[in-house]
Amino acid sequence: DIQMTQSPSTLSASVGDRVTITCRASQSISRWLAWYQQKPGTAPKLLIFDASSLESGVPSRFSGSGSGTEFTLTISSLQPDDFATYYCQQYSSSSHFGQGTTLEIK
Amino acid sequence: QVHLVQSGAEVKKPGASVRVSCKTSGHTFTSYYIHWVRQAPGQGLEWMGLINPSGGRTDYVQKFQGRVTMTRDTSTSTVYMEVSSLRSEDTAVYYCARVKDYYDLHSLDYWGQGTLVTVSS
Repeated sequence: DIQMTQSPSTLSASVGDRVTITCRASQSISRWLAWYQQKPGTAPKLLIFDASSLESGVPSRFSGSGSGTEFTLTISSLQPDDFATYYCQQYSSSSHFGQGTTLEIK
Repeated sequence: QVHLVQSGAEVKKPGASVRVSCKTSGHTFTSYYIHWVRQAPGQGLEWMGLINPSGGRTDYVQKFQGRVTMTRDTSTSTVYMEVSSLRSEDTAVYYCARVKDYYDLHSLDYWGQGTLVTVSS
């Protein structure tokens, strides 16, 4: 199984900050990676697919990069609506989610 | 507009079974794989498996082999997931989700609202 490790587990930041979340795969997954945002009591929302493609309707302050085993999700300027939990998901071989990163208000 | 609507919350006793439904609309049912993901209280997302609504092919995470069964009804565009031999650790919100493209494995672009399954004696 391909395991996904996200870091950090928790991130404290302020509105307007630039933040980066990292996801590492236990073996190469090429660019078969997605990022999701989840708020309490709601289903996850797709933000990025194929490592760097922005899902329709998602603000351009979200971006993804990486390939192989290391990937990042960057939010260029945090907005109040962005405080949530973020998950990466690999879909190269079967599928697996990272453990999540909670983005908190500093 | 694509919609995935799941059945309501369930409370089950240990050892029982539960079946969760996921009714889809707004797209060609047989063209998009459906995945199931669960989330225990306060925990992260756990991928469980997938079903091809066209031919019914399934693929389950090894830990669920023998306890999880995914099926579909093409006449109602509905996918089902049954979990048997329930234990307290199966208490979670269960989500169905549609694959973004015409692949078995890909990102998940539309999700159901989730179904809370509580296992308690």
